[in-house]
Amino acid sequence: DTGVSQDPRHKITKRGQNVTFRCDPISEHNRLYWYRQTLGQGPEFLTYFQNEAQLEKSRLLSDRFSAERPKGSFSTLEIQRTEQGDSAMYLCASSFDRGMNTEAFFGQGTRLTVV
Amino acid sequence: GIQVEQSPPDLILQEGANSTLRCNFSDSVNNLQWFHQNPWGQLINLFYIPSGTKQNGRLSATTVATERYSLLYISSSQTTDSGVYFCAPARHVRFGAGTRLTVKP
Repeated sequence: DTGVSQDPRHKITKRGQNVTFRCDPISEHNRLYWYRQTLGQGPEFLTYFQNEAQLEKSRLLSDRFSAERPKGSFSTLEIQRTEQGDSAMYLCASSFDRGMNTEAFFGQGTRLTVV
Repeated sequence: GIQVEQSPPDLILQEGANSTLRCNFSDSVNNLQWFHQNPWGQLINLFYIPSGTKQNGRLSATTVATERYSLLYISSSQTTDSGVYFCAPARHVRFGAGTRLTVKP
């Protein structure tokens, strides 16, 4: 297994543009998380999926952000009308949740710079 | 959701020294994870620990679930141990601000 994969690794975009990131979880992992991390802070929870269902979404997530996991495998995170404040590292994690706690693994992240 | 507090926020050590990092959580958790964030930003799994103690080389972790805390011990620290250490409940993976460790040669 190659682990959690995120694409792209780096993205520079102009303010106002839309961007989309992709996360491929570890195969057979049914839970997938998205986080945002800015310099000097811990990862901030954005949303998570159990299979294809989006079960929780942070109140901090504005309506410019949307995430999907259409077939319960890979997920995409889209940011519309990007702002400079969206510049951050976006992290994805996956785990296999059997109803008991289970270990989460993270991808290498996508670093977004909005200019 | 479960709140996570880590201490100390910053720690500077001389190479070879030992250290203890603490993680407090606001509610009981069944499993806790410790991570090390490398300079490139990736979170590396260190421990997945429900309770008791686990050891991996120079690192060990102890979780006392009934008292809602976990400790990460680093012995004989090396410069490569530098970085930010996070703990998080395994199922509802939420993070505190972490502990930034700097090990000086």
